[in-house]
Amino acid sequence: AQSVAQPEDQVNVAEGNPLTVKCTYSVSGNPYLFWYVQYPNRGLQFLLKYITGDNLVKGSYGFEAEFNKSQTSFHLKKPSALVSDSALYFCAVRAPMGKSTFGDGTTLTVKP
Amino acid sequence: DTEVTQTPKHLVMGMTNKKSLKCEQHMGHRAMYWYKQKAKKPPELMFVYSYEKLSINESVPSRFSPECPNSSLLNLHLHALQPEDSALYLCASSRPTDPLSGYTFGSGTRLTVV
Repeated sequence: AQSVAQPEDQVNVAEGNPLTVKCTYSVSGNPYLFWYVQYPNRGLQFLLKYITGDNLVKGSYGFEAEFNKSQTSFHLKKPSALVSDSALYFCAVRAPMGKSTFGDGTTLTVKP
Repeated sequence: DTEVTQTPKHLVMGMTNKKSLKCEQHMGHRAMYWYKQKAKKPPELMFVYSYEKLSINESVPSRFSPECPNSSLLNLHLHALQPEDSALYLCASSRPTDPLSGYTFGSGTRLTVV
């Protein structure tokens, strides 16, 4: 069975500071990992995905994610946070021929 | 067109009503999904259609009835719902045989059962 865990319900950072939203995974075989963002009363938006061989993946809106196989982690990062980055972030793992499993989500708040 | 369109955006229905949610995409995606999401919780998978055939039903109560009339449309028929069914219902689509294909989500239908 595949699963992802987001250990932090809430992350608070000041605008301009770097941010990290954590995700660890458990899969058998190759991991198909994704990050999504959800703004209030909206659907989820795809941010980025892990591609085999790339330990640092770049995505939308200046976000990137660092894949670490030994720590089974796929942390979302951004060098300089914006107030507009405040949202709910989900890590997800997808089975090769089927459904995605989402983490519980992390609420990111960026304060001016 | 890179969007998934869901209608209506908001729906209030009584427990004896029958209503339908609609989802449409024109990206050529042959997998479509219904998710239910409570506030500040992850989406919970309800149904998966692959090539217009139901491939996954996550033990959803029969008061929810999905339908996929063609490769672009996905409906969710609702009947005799309970107040606890109030939630954001999200439709998504993807390429079914490509595990690197992320999901494209619609903005959802906010359902309130009274």
